Amino acid sequence: AQTVTQSQPEMSVQEAETVTLSCTYDTSESDYYLFWYKQPPSRQMILVIRQEAYKQQNATENRFSVNFQKAAKSFSLKISDSQLGDAAMYFCAYRSPGGQGAQKLVFGQGTRLTINP
Amino acid sequence: DSGVTQTPKHLITATGQRVTLRCSPRSGDLSVYWYQQSLDQGLQFLIQYYNGEERAKGNILERFSAQQFPDLHSELNLSSLELGDSALYFCASSVTGAVQPQHFGDGTRLSIL
Repeated sequence: AQTVTQSQPEMSVQEAETVTLSCTYDTSESDYYLFWYKQPPSRQMILVIRQEAYKQQNATENRFSVNFQKAAKSFSLKISDSQLGDAAMYFCAYRSPGGQGAQKLVFGQGTRLTINP
Repeated sequence: DSGVTQTPKHLITATGQRVTLRCSPRSGDLSVYWYQQSLDQGLQFLIQYYNGEERAKGNILERFSAQQFPDLHSELNLSSLELGDSALYFCASSVTGAVQPQHFGDGTRLSIL
């Protein structure tokens, strides 16, 4: 079974600075998908960024980028120019290719990110 | 707005009772997923339906059941409720295709007294 580990329960960063959240996973599959979701105090689960394992290029979405190291099974999220609205719980998630089945997300424990003004 | 609608937003009930949580997926999404978020277990996958059929099952208790109707909305039924069932229950939906992300509803907060 796949597992996802986020080793940083809490992180804090000064507004406008850069922060990196860590995520490692364990799998025997060669093809899979990785995601970062953000959960602000409103409790919504918001997709931040996704990465296909077969792509060597790291995904980027505006101020959010990932460092995907397939051999090391590492998938970190970098947030540049941190803003107060980035404060939230961040979850790393793994998904098997699965076709029309077995597409469940396996989540890490989450990292609570605080932005200091 | 993700386009996934969950009702009710909050539910307070007592031990031993039964509740039904409802989810309407985004227009065009055939897959519906249910997740439970609790303080001790984190975010856990419960069950997935695709176009009315069960596709995958996670750590779902026997007291819990779900179904997806012809109009693609889904219901999660929780019975013989225990204090430990208090959690945030999310529904998510996605289109067909492994690369497509899941979009989450706002969740139903279930409190067992």
